[in-house]
Amino acid sequence: GAVVSQHPSWVICKSGTSVKIECRSLDFQATTMFWYRQFPKQSLMLMATSNEGSKATYEQGVEKDKFLINHASLTLSTLTVTSAHPEDSSFYICSATAAGGPNEQFFGPGTRLTVL
Amino acid sequence: QKEVEQDPGPLSVPEGAIVSLNCTYSNSAFQYFMWYRQYSRKGPELLMYTYSSGNKEDGRFTAQVDKSSKYISLFIRDSQPSDSATYLCAMSDHSGNTPLVFGKGTRLSVIA
Repeated sequence: GAVVSQHPSWVICKSGTSVKIECRSLDFQATTMFWYRQFPKQSLMLMATSNEGSKATYEQGVEKDKFLINHASLTLSTLTVTSAHPEDSSFYICSATAAGGPNEQFFGPGTRLTVL
Repeated sequence: QKEVEQDPGPLSVPEGAIVSLNCTYSNSAFQYFMWYRQYSRKGPELLMYTYSSGNKEDGRFTAQVDKSSKYISLFIRDSQPSDSATYLCAMSDHSGNTPLVFGKGTRLSVIA
């Protein structure tokens, strides 16, 4: 099956710093990647849709200047949480759909961010 | 009314039981239906993918879609403790690269 990786798997940072999370499709080309955040015992909340080579589309209420998304290649998208604060602490998950295929989304293992 | 409704549970069953998980939806344009399994602190894993109405079976898992009733189900036969997880239904009205609409997830515990 299609494999999506995320790095790092967990990160702890100080308030005010920026954190970059990478999402890679390992064995397929992903024209579209999605970024979600998930709070404990809650479902996935879509943050943005990222298409290779173009600007990400953010969901309502998501600050695009705070959550910078770059989809530089068909196998890599990055999410940068800028000037992180404790309320940004969450589980961030990416997913990817294969180019030319049906919209089965394959998820990464997630990144747990803790902002002190 | 939310687009996708899913009972959050928790649902607790004994090992070996048949588990039935369900979602209802309101958007008649949905055509693609998925079930994901998510273990604690892990990303969701795609279990079943179906298009339009009908049944699909994969091992102990059976997915059913009834578009006339806007109702989808996931059945797990001979449930195992390792099936303990949160199960999320998801659906879409387009193929290709459009966001999925997720249910809130049902937490399942299979007790040995």
